[in-house]
Amino acid sequence: NAGVTQTPKFQVLKTGQSMTLQCAQDMNHNSMYWYRQDPGMGLRLIYYSASEGTTDKGEVPNGYNVSRLNKREFSLRLESAAPSQTSVYFCASSSPGQTLDQYFGPGTRLLVL
Amino acid sequence: AQSVTQLDSQVPVFEEAPVELRCNYSSSVSVYLFWYVQYPNQGLQLLLKYLSGSTLVESINGFEAEFNKSQTSFHLRKPSVHISDTAEYFCAVSAPFRGGYNKLIFGAGTRLAVHP
Repeated sequence: NAGVTQTPKFQVLKTGQSMTLQCAQDMNHNSMYWYRQDPGMGLRLIYYSASEGTTDKGEVPNGYNVSRLNKREFSLRLESAAPSQTSVYFCASSSPGQTLDQYFGPGTRLLVL
Repeated sequence: AQSVTQLDSQVPVFEEAPVELRCNYSSSVSVYLFWYVQYPNQGLQLLLKYLSGSTLVESINGFEAEFNKSQTSFHLRKPSVHISDTAEYFCAVSAPFRGGYNKLIFGAGTRLAVHP
């Protein structure tokens, strides 16, 4: 099993550009999450999807949209990137009844100029 | 509201020395507590967790953490560290969220640097 995979690994954007971060898991997990990690701030939840077909806002959703394409895939879209969105983005997933045991992908490092 | 404070941003230590990474939390409800580890250029991995029962929990690689309800702490310890333990460690606490969902709140992280 590959676990949780994310693409791309690195990305540089100019202010105002858009992009989609992809995430997939092969563990048959119901729930998936997007976090951002900033120095000195730990991880903050952007959006989550408790199950296929549902999505909900986390702590810092402004400037982002998500799509739960199917049970495996959960994408994060930046419609108009801003320098404040420079961060490392992690996708995670968890199984039913074990939502707090989250499995993380390797991350996407995003720089917005 | 729940919060997590990791008291040290960086902890340098020599190989084979003991180490303690400190974590305090605040919560008005019962919580579950976690330690995650992040090795360089990797995602987070669950190291250990406290859900209920014995207040001392252990990981497979020699770390242990003790839940202390009166001091609202969940410090992580290892009696003898290895170079390979060099990583960033995150303490996390569960918190109720919308729709009956429980989310994780992470501390800012402690960077453990093990020196030969």
